[in-house]
Parts: sequence; structure tokens; C-alpha cells
Amino acid sequence: DIQMTQSPSSMSASLGDRVTITCRASQDIGNYLNWFQQKSGKSPRRMIYGATNLAAGVPSRFSGSKSGSDYSLTISSLESEDVAIYYCLQSIQYLTWTFGGGTKLELK
Amino acid sequence: QVTLKESGPGILQPSQTLSLTCTFSGFSLSTYGTGVGWIRQPSGKGLEWLTNIWWDDDKYYNPSLKSRLAISKDTSNNQAFLKITNVDTADTATYYCARIVEGIPFEDWGQGVMVTVSS
Repeated sequence: DIQMTQSPSSMSASLGDRVTITCRASQDIGNYLNWFQQKSGKSPRRMIYGATNLAAGVPSRFSGSKSGSDYSLTISSLESEDVAIYYCLQSIQYLTWTFGGGTKLELK
Repeated sequence: QVTLKESGPGILQPSQTLSLTCTFSGFSLSTYGTGVGWIRQPSGKGLEWLTNIWWDDDKYYNPSLKSRLAISKDTSNNQAFLKITNVDTADTATYYCARIVEGIPFEDWGQGVMVTVSS
């Protein structure tokens, strides 16, 4: 089974800060990495798919990148509406999928 | 416009079988590359992927729960179903269904349905 290790589990940042969240895969997943945002009491929202592709309607301050087996979600300039829990999901095509443990992002 | 909505019993007792329905519109589960997945989230905890069903009736399950899960679909009526056998209090969670498009996961989500397992 593929494990996804997400870090940090929680963090606080100030408005305008650059924020980076990381997931590490236990096996090669290619670019099959996605990021979701979940605000309190809401269903998750897809933000990034295929490691680097911005989902429709997602602000351009969000971006995804890959370095080896590490995948990152970056918010270039934090806004108040970005407070949420973020999850990565590996989705190796047509196989079993795995979410990371989540990162709770709060305002400092 | 794509919509998905989960429905279920709300509450059930340990050892019973949980049956959930995902009723959707705006897409067809017979379209190549399309799928529906089920995801759950215990209160205050993270997301857990459970299972996917694909347009060609392929099915994949979370290995830790595989023996208790069964996913199926009714393409004509735009529904997907999830059964979990022998439920326990640990199965108490909000259950979501979500659409997969061209193999890309979870573009659209339902609002979720809360399920409580209690004696």
C-alpha cells in the first residue's frame, strides 16, 4: 500500500506570508498527486491535480510542485479565506488511493 | 451542472450493514474515464478514501476495509451505492461521494451524509 506522509500537521502564518505544505509518497506515484482544501463544515474542494495543474476557479496564488518523491502545495501570499485544512491524495491510475493526514492552516 | 447527493440511514446498530446511495446528475457513469468514489471523515479527523467504481464497472477498495465494502452502480438511474457490512462505532463518520473525470479524482463532491453507529 502507498502511504502519504503530510507535513506539517498544523501551522500558523500571517496574512501575506508564503506557505508551503508537503506530502511524501512511500512509492513512486508519478504525477498522480492532488491537493484538496476543506473549510470548516464544508465538503472538500479540489485545488491542484496532476501535481501541478490548477483546478478551475482556484486562485493563482495556489501552486503545486514536485521534487523527487516530495510534493508541495504553495500559497504565494496568504489570504484570510485560505484558512482551512489541506489534504493531499495520491491517485495512481485505477488503483487504490490514499489521502495524507491533513494540514491545518491557521492565521497567526 | 453537476450535482451529487448522498443518502443513508442516519443511525444504525453495531453489526448491521450500512447502505448508502449517491444520486447524481450532470454526468453519466457510462462515459469513458468517469468514476464515482466514496470517502469518509469521522468528526474532527481526516479524510479516508474507501472505494471507487469506474465506467467499465471496475472496482477498487481500501485494503484495510476491503472485506467489508461493496460498491455498485445503476447507470440508468444515475446512482452509485456503497455497502459496509458488520459496522462498528469506528464507522461513525460523514460519508461523501465524489466524481472522477478522465481518471482525475474528485472534481465534484456531495454535501456528505452523517452516519452514526450506536447501540
